[in-house]
Amino acid sequence: QVQLQESGPGLVKPSQTLSLTCTVSGGSISSDGYYWNWIRQHPGKGLEWIGYIYYSGNTYFNPSLKSRLTMSVDTSKNQFSLKLSSVTAADTAVYYCARLRIKISFGGVIVGNWFDPWGQGTLVTVSS
Amino acid sequence: DIVMTQTPLSSPVTLGQPASISCRSSQSLVHSDGDTYLSWLQQRPGQPPRLLIYKVSERFAGVPDRFSGSGAGTDFTLKISRVEPEDVGIYYCMQGTQFPLTFGGGTKVEIK
Repeated sequence: QVQLQESGPGLVKPSQTLSLTCTVSGGSISSDGYYWNWIRQHPGKGLEWIGYIYYSGNTYFNPSLKSRLTMSVDTSKNQFSLKLSSVTAADTAVYYCARLRIKISFGGVIVGNWFDPWGQGTLVTVSS
Repeated sequence: DIVMTQTPLSSPVTLGQPASISCRSSQSLVHSDGDTYLSWLQQRPGQPPRLLIYKVSERFAGVPDRFSGSGAGTDFTLKISRVEPEDVGIYYCMQGTQFPLTFGGGTKVEIK
């Protein structure tokens, strides 16, 4: 079955760029009907959706983070990546990658059906 | 953004007894296509979230039938018919009807 694994530095300095990669195994990142997402969880807190990327390169970001976000996809490596710039301590969190099953509704409107599977998550701490 | 509010924050339950978690959305989750994109996830301690229920009441593959979802419009409920030790964790509702996707704040299920 499809599995996801996050990788990247666990410590980032303030004002620098946080970079993470999610490797997909057991299935193709180019599968129709699935978007590839980043979600984060601040220590002891709830879940915050960051954004998604499709294998074509289409993206959609949470407006609260949009100005600092970049996502990319490498179909040859079955990977997708996240870059979050100008980080502060408020960006310290466990970052998860997850696959979103989507449905294309009337007029091409995308809806998010369900998230499965999720990666194990990686803790990123922003500190000098 | 659609705000998702869960109650209670914590639910101490006796093993073998039922548990119920509520989730309310700030606006209707009924999409123009007629479906309602509300899902429930379970997060066991130290683990990533795991999908339990999608589209209000559809149980995901491999999820025990003691988990059930119900509701409509803006009010939804997750029920565990008989709590077992492995059900300890935090439960989140999530709406997929409108982007940005949003989650409830979570409800902690613990054993009395």
